[in-house]
Amino acid sequence: GQNIDQPTEMTATEGAIVQINCTYQTSGFNGLFWYQQHAGEAPTFLSYNVLDGLEEKGRFSSFLSRSKGYSYLLLKELQMKDSASYLCAVRDGDYKLSFGAGTTVTVRA
Amino acid sequence: ETGVTQTPRHLVMGMTNKKSLKCEQHLGHNAMYWYKQSAKKPLELMFVYNFKEQTENNSVPSRFSPECPNSSHLFLHLHTLQPEDSALYLCASSQGTSDTGELFFGEGSRLTVL
Repeated sequence: GQNIDQPTEMTATEGAIVQINCTYQTSGFNGLFWYQQHAGEAPTFLSYNVLDGLEEKGRFSSFLSRSKGYSYLLLKELQMKDSASYLCAVRDGDYKLSFGAGTTVTVRA
Repeated sequence: ETGVTQTPRHLVMGMTNKKSLKCEQHLGHNAMYWYKQSAKKPLELMFVYNFKEQTENNSVPSRFSPECPNSSHLFLHLHTLQPEDSALYLCASSQGTSDTGELFFGEGSRLTVL
């Protein structure tokens, strides 16, 4: 089966940095995704890693270590609008994505 | 606007009712999915359709019946549901493994079973 773990909740201050960790044990690996989901809205794609290393996209960065089954999403210069749930997901085949339970990030002024 | 539209956004039904959820994608993708999202739980994959053919059925009870008449439309027919089926049902689409092959989600149908 698939096992994808991430913290349930994190709180940070506006302007700060937060790192959301994700560990996974899956039957296969064909890429790792991070999604953002605001309350009552659709999950939206943030980042994709398939090779080891860091992918940077503006204020958001995502890191992958395949040998350790580990990824993190780094959110810099936090803004109030970054308060949301962040979902880690692993693709283990051509189409199937398995998700973690999500990390709720609360940004405080 | 993600290009994936779900209706209805909210649905309340009794355990003996029959209802359907509808999903339409305007992105030209070849794969469509149904996911179930319950509070504090991971998204659960229910069904996958690739080029209108069902390629995944994740041990979903038969009271949930999917239908994919073409690559742009996906339905989830609901019959004699249980209160524990109350959840947010998310539809998604993707274009195989081109580029990242990420999923594009609709905003979901919030289902309450009384």
